Amino acid sequence: ETGVTQTPRHLVMGMTNKKSLKCEQHLGHNAMYWYKQSAKKPLELMFVYNFKEQTENNSVPSRFSPECPNSSHLFLHLHTLQPEDSALYLCASSRGGVNEQYFGPGTRLTVT
Amino acid sequence: SQQGEEDPQALSIQEGENATMNCSYKTSINNLQWYRQNSGRGLVHLILIRSNEREKHSGRLRVTLDTSKKSSSLLITASRAADTASYFCATAISGNTGKLIFGQGTTLQVKP
Repeated sequence: ETGVTQTPRHLVMGMTNKKSLKCEQHLGHNAMYWYKQSAKKPLELMFVYNFKEQTENNSVPSRFSPECPNSSHLFLHLHTLQPEDSALYLCASSRGGVNEQYFGPGTRLTVT
Repeated sequence: SQQGEEDPQALSIQEGENATMNCSYKTSINNLQWYRQNSGRGLVHLILIRSNEREKHSGRLRVTLDTSKKSSSLLITASRAADTASYFCATAISGNTGKLIFGQGTTLQVKP
């Protein structure tokens, strides 16, 4: 247990569906992150939040919409996804800056 | 090309042997971090080495950093079957706030 939880662990959705991924950290951290991990590709940073403010959007398509209501919770809202969006989506938190990050177990997303 | 590149991409050894993985990067860094990932799970932070450090130990792990060559290595001594996983280096870029750049990883298999 890293102190970062993600739900659901697995998700299958059609291209017209709307779903949300949830991440919660119990570590008192100020920064939270969304990453995408596809087969045979490096981990891709999607979004960074520091103290609930978005500080990084790594050119992510608008069909991915993050939300950070407080420093402990992070959501990724999904709509009209494409099959190539199928991947493992990982949430992480840290004390911010260049400190080590603590990852959740991920959500395995399949878009059909 | 990527900031972090790892070598080898895959490594297979017998239990009890040592495993060495290498990471090269391109730009100035604040620190370099190593993470481990078991299949389909989240990443687990192993060790962080700052740019002014040359070597760091944690249990059976030994990390070196050569900033002149922009490279790092992770040595796992006396490997165990439970060490079977993917190992990633991640660089925290100087002047950046909270962004880690991950390599593609080395997949390690330790045979019992």
